[in-house]
Amino acid sequence: ELKVEQNPLFLSMQEGKNYTIYCNYSTTSDRLYWYRQDPGKSLESLFVLLSNGAVKQEGRLMASLDTKARLSTLHITAAVHDLSATYFCAVAPYGGATNKLIFGTGTLLAVQP
Amino acid sequence: DAMVIQNPRYQVTQFGKPVTLSCSQTLNHNVMYWYQQKSSQAPKLLFHYYDKDFNNEADTPDNFQSRRPNTSFCFLDIRSPGLGDAAMYLCATSRAGGYEQYFGPGTRLTVT
Repeated sequence: ELKVEQNPLFLSMQEGKNYTIYCNYSTTSDRLYWYRQDPGKSLESLFVLLSNGAVKQEGRLMASLDTKARLSTLHITAAVHDLSATYFCAVAPYGGATNKLIFGTGTLLAVQP
Repeated sequence: DAMVIQNPRYQVTQFGKPVTLSCSQTLNHNVMYWYQQKSSQAPKLLFHYYDKDFNNEADTPDNFQSRRPNTSFCFLDIRSPGLGDAAMYLCATSRAGGYEQYFGPGTRLTVT
């Protein structure tokens, strides 16, 4: 059974601190996505990682991919309150011309002042 | 400019009363997807269209249907909504062979 697991499921952290969200998946996938979702809103694309060892950074967020370990990480540097949201990783394990996404369980991030 | 548009943004329907949700796109993408996201859960793919070819996920209930009359539009029909169908419904598009997937703003469905 295909599984995409994230941990932690809930993360409360203080402003200025660093932390990492982990995404493990159980089948091969040639692409890994990270999305942000604010309450009641749709998904906002953060990163698309396409190869082993890929690393992408945007502001205080950095994502990496290890396809051999089937692991992706989303690292948060010096968190600020505006980063509070739910973060999902997703894989597209079927390849081909379509991007049928299987989402992880999500991590609810709460950054406290 | 909006690229993936969903209407309505909020829909209230009665138990058992058919409802249709709409998605349109200005990207000219040939793949369109419908995801269901229940409260505090991850989005789950219901089905997708690759051009005119409809692809249903194995565990999508028969109560859910879809139509794609042209490249730009795709509809989600729920024939007899139950209380358990209350969710956010997300439409997304991608170009065949491309990696990016573009999500619409979603339609929040309430079933009373």
